[in-house]
Amino acid sequence: DAGVIQSPRHEVTEMGQEVTLRCKPISGHNSLFWYRQTMMRGLELLIYFNNNVPIDDSGMPEDRFSAKMPNASFSTLKIQPSEPRDSAVYFCASSPDSGYGYTFGSGTRLTVV
Amino acid sequence: KNEVEQSPQNLTAQEGEFITINCSYSVGISALHWLQQHPGGGIVSLFMLSSGKKKHGRLIATINIQEKHSSLHITASHPRDSAVYICAPRGTGANNLFFGTGTRLTVIP
Repeated sequence: DAGVIQSPRHEVTEMGQEVTLRCKPISGHNSLFWYRQTMMRGLELLIYFNNNVPIDDSGMPEDRFSAKMPNASFSTLKIQPSEPRDSAVYFCASSPDSGYGYTFGSGTRLTVV
Repeated sequence: KNEVEQSPQNLTAQEGEFITINCSYSVGISALHWLQQHPGGGIVSLFMLSSGKKKHGRLIATINIQEKHSSLHITASHPRDSAVYICAPRGTGANNLFFGTGTRLTVIP
């Protein structure tokens, strides 16, 4: 398996633009997570899905952020409009219910200027 | 909310030294991951444990659920062990992880 695949690896965008991050989880993993990492706050959960259903979105900062999982093999995290404070590394991870094999993607480094 | 504390925050060691990183958390959990993040950013789960001890090569992880404490040990440390190590408990009834602030380990040849 190629692991959790995220795209793009890097994104530089201007403030106010829409940004879409993409994630393909490991086949057979039924939980998918979006995390954000910043120097100030470290790693924090944004949202997680189980069997394509959003379970906990309490970490989504505000209405500018939205996430979807239309099927078991694809998820998106969208920021509209983007702001400089959204600059961070966004990680997608997937896991089976047991938690064994929890796997992170390589991350998307987002810079909003 | 699960508060997760790690110590030390930074650690510099000579190659070959025995390393211990500690983690304490505040609420009940179902399991705990130790994560490794190298410069450049990739995150790898080294262990998931819910009781006792696990060993993988030179790495050993222990957990005491009653005391809400876990440790990660590295024997015969090597410069390639230089990374940030993050304690990540998993809540009960949920699959998401909470995170410590991480321990930045530097192993000097």
